[in-house]
Amino acid sequence: AQKVTQAQTEISVVEKEDVTLDCVYETRDTTYYLFWYKQPPSGELVFLIRRNSFDEQNEISGRYSWNFQKSTSSFNFTITASQVVDSAVYFCALAANTGNQFYFGTGTSLTVIP
Amino acid sequence: GAGVSQTPSNKVTEKGKYVELRCDPISGHTALYWYRQSLGQGPEFLIYFQGTGAADDSGLPNDRFFAVRPEGSVSTLKIQRTERGDSAVYLCASSLGWRSGANVLTFGAGSRLTVL
Repeated sequence: AQKVTQAQTEISVVEKEDVTLDCVYETRDTTYYLFWYKQPPSGELVFLIRRNSFDEQNEISGRYSWNFQKSTSSFNFTITASQVVDSAVYFCALAANTGNQFYFGTGTSLTVIP
Repeated sequence: GAGVSQTPSNKVTEKGKYVELRCDPISGHTALYWYRQSLGQGPEFLIYFQGTGAADDSGLPNDRFFAVRPEGSVSTLKIQRTERGDSAVYLCASSLGWRSGANVLTFGAGSRLTVL
């Protein structure tokens, strides 16, 4: 079975603080992909990053960074020096190589307070 | 088109009525997905098309839900005898397809369905 757990339902931070969004996944497949999507108040899901199961290198893109650890089945997302525009719901998703389905977590609602 | 287009953006209907929701994927995207998102929840898989055929329809909740993609491009999600519990945002997404490794989903803005 494939499953994504985002235990943090809501997070509030003050602007310029760093924040980490947690994602834990379950799969028996050896080949899979992990994703993060952002859903701003406008509602449209926006792709942020994709990692495959064979690449555990962490990635940094501007203020965003991702930490992928297979040993703990986690794919956490950190926003450095948060800004008000970061306020959104963030979804972690898993796509296994078999079935082609994408499984989404329940999302973490981030509010950045000015 | 430049992005995934979904129509209508909002649909209000009465219980028992039939509705159709349309998705126009990005040109050239062979894979098309329908998801349903209820308030406060993550997107829930409904059906996946590869080309014209439904490769996986295991997420359709019951036989009132049906989707087609006759020419491998535009897809229509059809809901018969709507119930209040069908109220949700219906999301469509497309990608270049799994085999190419380009399995990043691009989502449309969604169709918000309200069943009174």
